[in-house]
Amino acid sequence: ELKVEQNPLFLSMQEGKNYTIYCNYSTTSDRLYWYRQDPGKSLESLFVLLSNGAVKQEGRLMASLDTKARLSTLHITAAVHDLSATYFCAGGGNNDMRFGAGTRLTVKP
Amino acid sequence: KAGVTQTPRYLIKTRGQQVTLSCSPISGHRSVSWYQQTPGQGLQFLFEYFSETQRNKGNFPGRFSGRQFSNSRSEMNVSTLELGDSALYLCASSREGAAEKLFFGSGTQLSVL
Repeated sequence: ELKVEQNPLFLSMQEGKNYTIYCNYSTTSDRLYWYRQDPGKSLESLFVLLSNGAVKQEGRLMASLDTKARLSTLHITAAVHDLSATYFCAGGGNNDMRFGAGTRLTVKP
Repeated sequence: KAGVTQTPRYLIKTRGQQVTLSCSPISGHRSVSWYQQTPGQGLQFLFEYFSETQRNKGNFPGRFSGRQFSNSRSEMNVSTLELGDSALYLCASSREGAAEKLFFGSGTQLSVL
């Protein structure tokens, strides 16, 4: 069974700083997903990474996938308060998605 | 385009009762999956349906069951509720395909007293 581990679980950042969230997974996964969840809200899909070396960027967030290392990263550039949320990575397929524990990100002024 | 709709939004039940939750996927989406979210266990996969067939099931007891109708709407049922079943139950839909992402509903917050 695919297991997904994220770190850190909690992250407090200053606005304007950069940081990276790491996501390791235990067995081969064809794809890797990143989601965002705001408090009391549902999950919003951010990225779907399908192949080794895939890199996707949207705004201040950039996700990458290294299938050989079984590692995905979510890089945050020049953080702003609006990025405060919990970020989840997940692997597997649409019919059997396994989530990491989530990284609770707080961006402080 | 309407999103994934889950009803009810909140539910309070007592131990031993049963509950049925409903999920209407985005129009055209044939895959519906269910997840349980708790502070302790995080997000856990329950099961997934595609064209009325359960394709996969997570590691949950048989008290958790589901079904999908011909219009892709799905229901999940939990029988003989336990206190530990208190959770946010999320439904997600997607089209079939490797690159497809999941679209989540707002969830049903179930409290078992």
